[in-house]
Amino acid sequence: GAVVSQHPSRVICKSGTSVKIECRSLDFQATTMFWYRQFPKQSLMLMATSNEGSKATYEQGVEKDKFLINHASLTLSTLTVTSAHPEDSSFYICSARSASPYEQYFGPGTRLTVT
Amino acid sequence: DAKTTQPPSMDCAEGRAANLPCNHSTISGNEYVYWYRQIHSQGPQYIIHGLKNNETNEMASLIITEDRKSSTLILPHATLRDTAVYYCIVRVMYDYKLSFGAGTTVTVRA
Repeated sequence: GAVVSQHPSRVICKSGTSVKIECRSLDFQATTMFWYRQFPKQSLMLMATSNEGSKATYEQGVEKDKFLINHASLTLSTLTVTSAHPEDSSFYICSARSASPYEQYFGPGTRLTVT
Repeated sequence: DAKTTQPPSMDCAEGRAANLPCNHSTISGNEYVYWYRQIHSQGPQYIIHGLKNNETNEMASLIITEDRKSSTLILPHATLRDTAVYYCIVRVMYDYKLSFGAGTTVTVRA
């Protein structure tokens, strides 16, 4: 149990376009979902926290108008990278927290390449 | 969150036990020690967690010192598939944020 999926696993987009990444908890309801970003040879950095039905909370330095997060249901959160630029190329990972136990389960990640 | 210190890298031989140390000298009484690992280009995977007692599951054992200022993750019989970055994180149980440090890059060699 406790499986989190992400779609797509890889995406290549042109500079200036927007791309949406989905994160789903497959076998549990996630009241809270998290989005992380990981640049090559670096650790995971938390970008934002989203709670179902409310606005996401962004970490300092993360542009909320550029990284749009929607958590419309207890099993789905989406991250939209708007007007993507090459510097947004990164590995984006989501995680979902179950209500009981209070554990986080991570998705497999999405590799975004902006050309 | 209490800060953790881990060695940047370590090698171990396939089939042998791998002992991964973690220092968390400023840990608070209500903070747990969590271990995750990240295999290359995948999302992190939960391994184990504990408060003050030693813990064991099908993946690993966690040994926490009596003063809780350090811990050791033990992979009893390392395989090539255990090659990954291992993260030691301390957090309060109900605190939803996980702060990932640099971790320890473990390379299991045949």
